[in-house]
Amino acid sequence: QVQLQESGPGLMKPSETLSLNCTVSGAPINNFYWSWIRQPPGKGLEWVGYIYTGGRANSNPSLKGRATISADASKRQIYLRLTSVTAADTAVYYCARFWSGRISLWGRGTLVSVSS
Amino acid sequence: EIVMTQSPATLSVSPGDRVTLSCRASQSVSSDLAWYQQKGGQAPSLLMYDVSTRAAGVPARFSGGGSGTDFTLTISSLQSEDFAVYYCQHYKTWPYTFGQGTKLEIK
Repeated sequence: QVQLQESGPGLMKPSETLSLNCTVSGAPINNFYWSWIRQPPGKGLEWVGYIYTGGRANSNPSLKGRATISADASKRQIYLRLTSVTAADTAVYYCARFWSGRISLWGRGTLVSVSS
Repeated sequence: EIVMTQSPATLSVSPGDRVTLSCRASQSVSSDLAWYQQKGGQAPSLLMYDVSTRAAGVPARFSGGGSGTDFTLTISSLQSEDFAVYYCQHYKTWPYTFGQGTKLEIK
C-alpha cells in the first residue's frame, strides 16, 4: 500500500524559506507525477506545483517563481521549497500523486503557519 | 488561468434527497474534469474523473455529467456519509485549478 507522509517546520516567520518533505513508502517514485497542493484554513484547494520524476517540474504562476519542487528517487522523497513566505502562505500542504491530471493518492497534509 | 466556479457554496439537504452540484469553467476544459470529496479534517479523495468515470470504490449513486464549460455532480440518494465538501478540478492546461467547493450540510 503506497503512503505519503509530509513533514515540515509547523511555524514560520514572514520572509523565511519553507522547506517541506514528502516521504513515499510502499512503491518507488519513478515514472509518476507528484504534486504539492495547499489549503488555507477554512478555504479551498490550490495546486502549488508538480514534478515528474523524469525531471520535468512546474509551479503555479500565481506564486511568482517562489516555489521549487524537486525529488530524490533514491530516498523516495519529494520536496517543496517556498521562498519569502507571508501569512498568505499559511495552509495545510498536501503531497499527492497524480496521473493524467487527476489526483489518486493524497498524504494527510502538514499545517504550516506563518506568523511574526 | 482557467477559473472554476462552483454553485451553490452551501446546500442544505436531507438524507435520501437527490442533489446536483454545479461547476462552471471560464473556458472550455473539454472532458478534463475531476470531482473530489473532502470530509472534515481529512485530505480530499477522488470521486470522478474525465467528467463521468467513477474512481475505484465510489458508489454508483454518484454520477457526473457535462462537457466544455458546464459540469454537474449528482448524488441520487444522499447517505449520511456523503455530507462533505465537494470540489471540481480541471486538468486541461497548467495551472490546474479547483473550484471553491460546495458544502453539503444536513437540513
